[in-house]
Amino acid sequence: NAGVTQTPKFRVLKTGQSMTLLCAQDMNHEYMYWYRQDPGMGLRLIHYSVGEGTTAKGEVPDGYNVSRLKKQNFLLGLESAAPSQTSVYFCASISGVLPDTQYFGPGTRLTVL
Amino acid sequence: GQQVMQIPQYQHVQEGEDFTTYCNSSTTLSNIQWYKQRPGGHPVFLIQLVKSGEVKKQKRLTFQFGEAKKNSSLHITATQTTDVGTYFCAGVGGGFKTIFGAGTRLFVKA
Repeated sequence: NAGVTQTPKFRVLKTGQSMTLLCAQDMNHEYMYWYRQDPGMGLRLIHYSVGEGTTAKGEVPDGYNVSRLKKQNFLLGLESAAPSQTSVYFCASISGVLPDTQYFGPGTRLTVL
Repeated sequence: GQQVMQIPQYQHVQEGEDFTTYCNSSTTLSNIQWYKQRPGGHPVFLIQLVKSGEVKKQKRLTFQFGEAKKNSSLHITATQTTDVGTYFCAGVGGGFKTIFGAGTRLFVKA
C-alpha cells in the first residue's frame, strides 16, 4: 500500500513548454486534489475531482488542466508553462467517508525558467 | 468565494510556553481539518472537527470548532522543539472543496 505517489519529484521547464504531473493513489479514494504551494505560503487548490470522469475548478485553475480518466489517477497538465507556475505541487486524496483525512503525496518541485 | 484566514503568520516561543493559532472562514464550513508540515515535507493530517462547538484533544494539542462552524483554533500546551513546523487549517465547504489557511509557522527555542 503505497498511499499517494507523485511523478516526477523534480522538473525544470523552459517557458512555453508543456508537461503532465501524475498522481496515483491505491486507497480506492473517490476525491482527489491538486494544490500548489509557493515558498512560505499555504496550499492553494488548483483543481479537484469528486469521482472518476469528473473535475472541478479550485482557487487558482488558470493555466492548468486536469483529467481523471481512472479512479486511481489524477493528472495535472501545464499546456504552456510560465515562470509564475514555479512551485511545489501536492496531490491529495480522501475517501469521502468520515474522517475525511487528506493523504498527501510527497510533492513535485517544478521550476519554470 | 470561500476564504480561510489564519493568524498569526509566525510565532516564536520559548520551549515550555503555550502556542495558539486561529482560523476564520468567510462561510459556514462542513468541517475543518488541521495539518502539520515540517520544512521540506508534505502536510500531515492531525485531526478533523465536524460538530458545532466540538473540542478534541491529542496529548498536548487542543482543537476547537466554533459554534457557528466558521472558526477554529489549535492550542499547544508546553511546546517542545518537536512541535516546530507550520500548522495549517483547512476548511471544507460544500462538495468537498477544501480551502487551506496560509498557515502559522511555529519556532520553538530550547
